[in-house]
Amino acid sequence: DIQMTQSPSTLSASVGDRVTITCRASQSISSWLAWYQQKPGKAPKLLIYKASSLESGVPSRFSGSGSGTEFTLTISSLQPDDFATYYCQQYHSYPWTFGQGTKVEIK
Amino acid sequence: EVQLVESGGGLVQPGGSLRLSCAASGFAISSYWMSWVRQAPGKGLEWVANIKQDGSEKYCLDSVKGRCTISRDNAKNSLYLQMNSLRLEDTAVYYCARNRVAPPDFWGQGTLVTVSS
Repeated sequence: DIQMTQSPSTLSASVGDRVTITCRASQSISSWLAWYQQKPGKAPKLLIYKASSLESGVPSRFSGSGSGTEFTLTISSLQPDDFATYYCQQYHSYPWTFGQGTKVEIK
Repeated sequence: EVQLVESGGGLVQPGGSLRLSCAASGFAISSYWMSWVRQAPGKGLEWVANIKQDGSEKYCLDSVKGRCTISRDNAKNSLYLQMNSLRLEDTAVYYCARNRVAPPDFWGQGTLVTVSS
């Protein structure tokens, strides 16, 4: 199975900060990576697919980059609505696997 | 409006069975791969199973393989997950999701399955 490792596990930031979350795959997954945002008690929301493609309706302050085994999710200017947990997911091969999550907290 | 509504969750004893249902509206599931993903209380996301548009391809997580059956009824616009021999570690919120571009792009609100004696 492909292991997905996110860092950091928790991130404290202020509104307006630039935030970067890293996701590392245990083997190459090309660009078959997605990023999700999840708020407490809610279903995950797709933000980015194919490593860098922005899902329709997602604000442009979210961006994704990377390929192979190293990926990043960047929020260019953190907004109050962005405090949530973020997950990466590989869909290169079965079983699809998720990172353990990164919780973005208010500093 | 696109909607996915899961049902069938509840309290079940270890070794028991459950059939989860997911009713779709606002789109035809016949055009999409569909998925089940679960989340144990306070934990991260775990993919469980996928099924192709016509049901000809199915994939299940190894730890539930042999205990899970994913199926669909395109005429009823519904997805199902049958789970047998349930274990304490199967306790989770189970989400159904649509795969538009391969990763799930739209998720239901989930149904809680609690395995406990």
